[in-house]
Amino acid sequence: DAGITQSPRHKVTETGTPVTLRCHQTENHRYMYWYRQDPGHGLRLIHYSYGVKDTDKGEVSDGYSVSRSKTEDFLLTLESATSSQTSVYFCAVAGTSGTDTQYFGPGTRLTVL
Amino acid sequence: GQNIDQPTEMTATEGAIVQINCTYQTSGFNGLFWYQQHAGEAPTFLSYNVLDGLEEKGRFSSFLSRSKGYSYLLLKELQMKDSASYLCAVRDNDYKLSFGAGTTVTVRA
Repeated sequence: DAGITQSPRHKVTETGTPVTLRCHQTENHRYMYWYRQDPGHGLRLIHYSYGVKDTDKGEVSDGYSVSRSKTEDFLLTLESATSSQTSVYFCAVAGTSGTDTQYFGPGTRLTVL
Repeated sequence: GQNIDQPTEMTATEGAIVQINCTYQTSGFNGLFWYQQHAGEAPTFLSYNVLDGLEEKGRFSSFLSRSKGYSYLLLKELQMKDSASYLCAVRDNDYKLSFGAGTTVTVRA
């Protein structure tokens, strides 16, 4: 399972509140990714990181920010949650180069009321 | 941008063979992946193709034709546990993955 955990696994929050999701890995993977998965859309890339403090935007980055202050943790923050951000969020990791296969964490189900 | 198409649903009988097609139109190509995802779980890696041809892994095989922008995943000797969604993903020249919406395969006894 590439040593990936996500927390929390489930969260219900209200519109306008800030939310932070955490991805933690234990195998020193360099690359880390945040995706959201919605019915009919498949997995869409939000942000990714290619090293400590090195991040870049993905396809659906509006309304999200990320931080990576150490190799093992990649945080996804919704500054002010909206109902359109209700989704399942998956973290993924890849090895020492972007050519490596991505492996996924267990996911976080987020509901914004 | 990326455009990746795969059928929404397929149904097959236990012991049979099913072929899931994936067509893509992308601005760059650096490999094609297939993932399996059971309901409520994370995607798990199945196969990777970067050169044309067939890659075989036990009951699962994956084929790629880069000139046609086409891949398929072949599942043989279907088992009930193969009921899942199958995701086709294309890696671009920046090593980011773009996913199709997934194909839900239902295996019936």
